[in-house]
Amino acid sequence: DGGITQSPKYLFRKEGQNVTLSCEQNLNHDAMYWYRQDPGQGLRLIYYSQIVNDFQKGDIAEGYSVSREKKESFPLTVTSAQKNPTAFYLCASSKRRGSTQETQYFGPGTRLLVL
Amino acid sequence: AQSVTQLDSQVPVFEEAPVELRCNYSSSVSVYLFWYVQYPNQGLQLLLKYLSGSTLVKGINGFEAEFNKSQTSFHLRKPSVHISDTAEYFCAVSDLYNFNKFYFGSGTKLNVKP
Repeated sequence: DGGITQSPKYLFRKEGQNVTLSCEQNLNHDAMYWYRQDPGQGLRLIYYSQIVNDFQKGDIAEGYSVSREKKESFPLTVTSAQKNPTAFYLCASSKRRGSTQETQYFGPGTRLLVL
Repeated sequence: AQSVTQLDSQVPVFEEAPVELRCNYSSSVSVYLFWYVQYPNQGLQLLLKYLSGSTLVKGINGFEAEFNKSQTSFHLRKPSVHISDTAEYFCAVSDLYNFNKFYFGSGTKLNVKP
């Protein structure tokens, strides 16, 4: 089955700790995205990547970092600089880069909680 | 940049009643419009999308939406809801000037009561 997988489903972070959220897709999509979802605020874009070895900051990139070494993988690191990391994190992908018409397909999400 | 407004944060409705979830966007430039549904603790699933052509778009699970350019709206409708439609619904917009970028509304929680 083709799709997007995110792991883990739940992640606990201690203060001062960096944690990495995994996102993998086998849809052969060029573009990948990370969103943060908070109650009542909808989805906010953290980072996106249109091609391997390239990525751009979204609206709330501070305290986060990403890499895109492989087409199918786009991991997100929540660094200790992110002071309020508790949220639901969603990864998405779309088929072609540079196209505004492409549907974004979403993974099942990772819930990050601070201990 | 676009902004997307979903005026109703929660919509309670009885089973088998009709429902309309409202979505308005800010810009009148060429836009592409999407509705997604999210069940608790899950990702978003595409319901329907408008790219061009007929302004009435039909999607999955019996939902439809109508693009109204003059009112910059893309309201979602279903003539008869089921308990299983209880979920949160998000409207999203992209435009010609911001490649690959989606602007999401804050979501509407649909609560279908028996």
